[in-house]
Amino acid sequence: DAGVTQSPTHLIKTRGQHVTLRCSPISGHKSVSWYQQVLGQGPQFIFQYYEKEERGRGNFPDRFSARQFPNYSSELNVNALLLGDSALYLCASSPNRDSLNTEAFFGQGTRLTVV
Amino acid sequence: GEDVEQSLFLSVREGDSSVINCTYTDSSSTYLYWYKQEPGAGLQLLTYIFSNMDMKQDQRLTVLLNKKDKHLSLRIADTQTGDSAIYFCAESITDSWGKLQFGAGTQVVVTP
Repeated sequence: DAGVTQSPTHLIKTRGQHVTLRCSPISGHKSVSWYQQVLGQGPQFIFQYYEKEERGRGNFPDRFSARQFPNYSSELNVNALLLGDSALYLCASSPNRDSLNTEAFFGQGTRLTVV
Repeated sequence: GEDVEQSLFLSVREGDSSVINCTYTDSSSTYLYWYKQEPGAGLQLLTYIFSNMDMKQDQRLTVLLNKKDKHLSLRIADTQTGDSAIYFCAESITDSWGKLQFGAGTQVVVTP
């Protein structure tokens, strides 16, 4: 079985640009969460989606948005990129409401560099 | 700063035991977790403990939880070079769908 897949693996963008990151959860998983991991720090929670609805939002500006599609894949969008948005963006999937974290599996992440 | 606190670095000799410590903030956290991250990789869930437990053992891993002091530790027995990685402690935030609060991570270096 394929694990959580994220694309692209690496990305370089210029300040002010827009970026879309993609995540495909494990087959059968209905929940997707997004985290930002700045170099040298732990991951910070951005969004959580379950059954295509936003269920949680972290302390990030409105430039960050996300959505979940009927097939449970998800996109994270960041507008007006800043240098400080450079980070590893991690996606995690879990099967259902009762095991959001106890059965959460992370993807390899997308390394975003803003120049 | 991080609400979950960990020491930043641990050096251990191969074959010895490693102990990584963590303090957390939410006294009503349901679960507490230990994740491992190897260079260039995502996060791997190592183990977790339910908040009404004091200890959990899983092969070489032992988790101890002191709820009174909000202290969590991970002991790795017979540490191997493949255990070199960054270890993150995390707590699940009460009343928050799926949100994990992570520490800054402890880098463990295993020397031969």
